[in-house]
Amino acid sequence: DGGITQSPKYLFRKEGQNVTLSCEQNLNHDAMYWYRQDPGQGLRLIYYSQIVNDFQKGDIAEGYSVSREKKESFPLTVTSAQKNPTAFYLCASLETGELFFGEGSRLTVL
Amino acid sequence: AQSVAQPEDQVNVAEGNPLTVKCTYSVSGNPYLFWYVQYPNRGLQFLLKYITGDNLVKGSYGFEAEFNKSQTSFHLKKPSALVSDSALYFCAVREGGGYQKVTFGTGTKLQVIP
Repeated sequence: DGGITQSPKYLFRKEGQNVTLSCEQNLNHDAMYWYRQDPGQGLRLIYYSQIVNDFQKGDIAEGYSVSREKKESFPLTVTSAQKNPTAFYLCASLETGELFFGEGSRLTVL
Repeated sequence: AQSVAQPEDQVNVAEGNPLTVKCTYSVSGNPYLFWYVQYPNRGLQFLLKYITGDNLVKGSYGFEAEFNKSQTSFHLKKPSALVSDSALYFCAVREGGGYQKVTFGTGTKLQVIP
């Protein structure tokens, strides 16, 4: 089945460590997105990419980095510079105006 | 900058009654508008979208939404609520044309009471 696959589903990290969240899609979509979800704040855009080898900062890009070397893959690195990294992270791709979401990755900083 | 407002954190409705979840938006150009639903610890599922054409849009699970350009609103509606409709609902906007940035509201929790 086509879709968005995020891994891992749950991740624990010690303060000061970088961590990379995986996002893979087999939908052949050009545009991909990373959102962060916190209770009461909805979804906030971290980064998005319209095509391979191109990406733009969203509203809360500080402390995060991405790459888009392949159409299918859009990994997100949460760096030690992100002050409050504990959150639910959602990856999505876009086609004809509709976003297709993965099941999310929950990151907890210990 | 584009933005979305969902003024109600929670909406409670009795099963069988009509429901409305409110959304207003702000974009500089023509809006593309969306509604998504989220169940606990899951990703978001697409419900419906407005791109152009008829102001009343019908979507999945009996939901519909009405685009009102003068009020910059895109309220989600359903004639008869089900307990299984209880979930978190998000409105989103994208500016038309080549822009691909999609902005979400803060979400509205819908509670359908048996």
